[in-house]
Amino acid sequence: QQQVKQSPQSLIVQKGGISIINCAYENTAFDYFPWYQQFPGKGPALLIAIRPDVSEKKEGRFTISFNKSAKQFSLHIMDSQPGDSATYFCAASMGNAGNMLTFGGGTRLMVKP
Amino acid sequence: GAVVSQHPSWVICKSGTSVKIECRSLDFQATTMFWYRQFPKQSLMLMATSNEGSKATYEQGVEKDKFLINHASLTLSTLTVTSAHPEDSSFYICSARSRPSRLHTQETQYFGPGTRLLVL
Repeated sequence: QQQVKQSPQSLIVQKGGISIINCAYENTAFDYFPWYQQFPGKGPALLIAIRPDVSEKKEGRFTISFNKSAKQFSLHIMDSQPGDSATYFCAASMGNAGNMLTFGGGTRLMVKP
Repeated sequence: GAVVSQHPSWVICKSGTSVKIECRSLDFQATTMFWYRQFPKQSLMLMATSNEGSKATYEQGVEKDKFLINHASLTLSTLTVTSAHPEDSSFYICSARSRPSRLHTQETQYFGPGTRLLVL
């Protein structure tokens, strides 16, 4: 049973556009929701994370929107750049940020110049 | 930021041989390390959770006798793929959980750069 569902699987955005990736979770015990960026042949790197007590968190061009009642959260990348082209994973865990992560299926983002 | 290293970064071996992958936390003590496997164009799948000084906890479907995990110190965990076969070819990634410290006030998880294993 896939506990974190991510969509779309792939996304093409023009430079300067907004990239939006969505995730939905099933386990209401999840209370930590990070997003990771992974380049080919590299390990994932934490981009931004949110807890359910806030509905939005922004760091630079990256924003997480969180809807607790719908059990959904999304990543928005504003002013997308070719350098943002990577695979993005949402994840969820229970308790603190160091606990076991359940990953979404990933979204391959390509930003066209 | 915190650094987690993996060695080797890639390895090619013959079928039937054993391969050891190291995961080190370079500037913090890791109470727990996680081992993931990632097949091409797929997500990370947790294989096992490794706690320092105790036996690893394996996820369902992961053979503990095939994937031996040792977490002998707070900065080092090793994954040994025993009698590797071509189907074990994958990208293996570790992550390390930091203890709260002066440098890292909250527990968080840092990922290594991954090890690509190709079994011929």
